[in-house]
Amino acid sequence: NAGVTQTPKFQVLKTGQSMTLQCAQDMNHEYMSWYRQDPGMGLRLIHYSVGAGITDQGEVPNGYNVSRSTTEDFPLRLLSAAPSQTSVYFCASSYSFGTSPTEAFFGQGTRLTVV
Amino acid sequence: GDSVTQMEGPVTLSEEAFLTINCTYTATGYPSLFWYVQYPGEGLQLLLKATKADDKGSNKGFEATYRKETTSFHLEKGSVQVSDSAVYFCALKTTSGTYKYIFGTGTRLKVLA
Repeated sequence: NAGVTQTPKFQVLKTGQSMTLQCAQDMNHEYMSWYRQDPGMGLRLIHYSVGAGITDQGEVPNGYNVSRSTTEDFPLRLLSAAPSQTSVYFCASSYSFGTSPTEAFFGQGTRLTVV
Repeated sequence: GDSVTQMEGPVTLSEEAFLTINCTYTATGYPSLFWYVQYPGEGLQLLLKATKADDKGSNKGFEATYRKETTSFHLEKGSVQVSDSAVYFCALKTTSGTYKYIFGTGTRLKVLA
């Protein structure tokens, strides 16, 4: 059981470039989300999705775009990379119990450096 | 808004010492509470959870009790090992509107042999 898979694990971008961070889960989870992890700031929510075709903004959405065309995949797009987006990015998924998602399952992370 | 506050690290302990990592929260209603652990170079893994007041979550010798009266969820372990060295995150799952997870800033634990 692969769980939550993120690719790539490492990436270096030049300022202004765009790229997509991939996230896939094989647990048929309805809820998926993207976080960034920065020193001293914990994890901050970027975007999340409660199901295919439904996405919403989190705490720090600017400069990022998402879509959810299937249950399994939730890619994160950086539209025009900036040094402030240097961070470690985590994708997470949760299954629902009734109307509430349960604990989150995390991918291994993508370490992104923007120069 | 909802928030989680946990003690600053790093915390450095000798093997077999007692561990406490403090976590308090601010939230409306009765959120679910979690502790996650992150080992170097890895993603976060669920360590334990509690979904209602007075619940005690436990796993791998770690324990935490959901205290509604003090809005706390402190993590404890009676005897730490070198292999427990990691970053620990306290988190809550909101109860209103669209459910979200809110994380604390993390506490780094280093256990010395």
